[in-house]
Amino acid sequence: AQSVTQLGSHVSVSEGALVLLRCNYSSSVPPYLFWYVQYPNQGLQLLLKYTTGATLVKGINGFEAEFKKSETSFHLTKPSAHMSDAAEYFCAVRPTDSWGKLQFGAGTQVVVTP
Amino acid sequence: DAMVIQNPRYQVTQFGKPVTLSCSQTLNHNVMYWYQQKSSQAPKLLFHYYDKDFNNEADTPDNFQSRRPNTSFCFLDIRSPGLGDAAMYLCATSLPRRSYEQYFGPGTRLTVT
Repeated sequence: AQSVTQLGSHVSVSEGALVLLRCNYSSSVPPYLFWYVQYPNQGLQLLLKYTTGATLVKGINGFEAEFKKSETSFHLTKPSAHMSDAAEYFCAVRPTDSWGKLQFGAGTQVVVTP
Repeated sequence: DAMVIQNPRYQVTQFGKPVTLSCSQTLNHNVMYWYQQKSSQAPKLLFHYYDKDFNNEADTPDNFQSRRPNTSFCFLDIRSPGLGDAAMYLCATSLPRRSYEQYFGPGTRLTVT
């Protein structure tokens, strides 16, 4: 069985500062990995995904994430936070070796302060 | 633009009064999903369709039903809403490959009075 852990349910960053959201997965086989963002009263929007190939993945809105198999991690970063980055962020995984549902982490609420 | 549309965006219903939420997509994706999301929680999968093939999650209450009359449309029926069913309901679609991301609609916020 796979699981996803997001460290920190709330993260506060200053505008212009680095955004770092942590995601670790537990799976016997490295899964497909996704980061989604959700703005208030909206659906989820895909930021980026890792399937195969290059382990550093670039996404929309200046976000990127690095898949580290040895650490079973897929942390999300953005060099400089913008006020518009305030939202909830979900890490999600899906198994590669079987049909399985998308397993979400609990989410991290990001607050950006001026 | 291809997209996932949910109507209505906000729905108020009375305790025990049946309600239907709708989802349509112009992506022509084979798979459609319904999620329930309560405040400050991750989305919880209720069921999904792979074409006409319906797949119910084991812990989805019988109170929740779904219909998919064609590729483009999918409906969520709540037969007798309780106060605990108040939530955001999200529809999503994907192609039938495990690596493919899910595309989410804007959601319907359901209030039960």
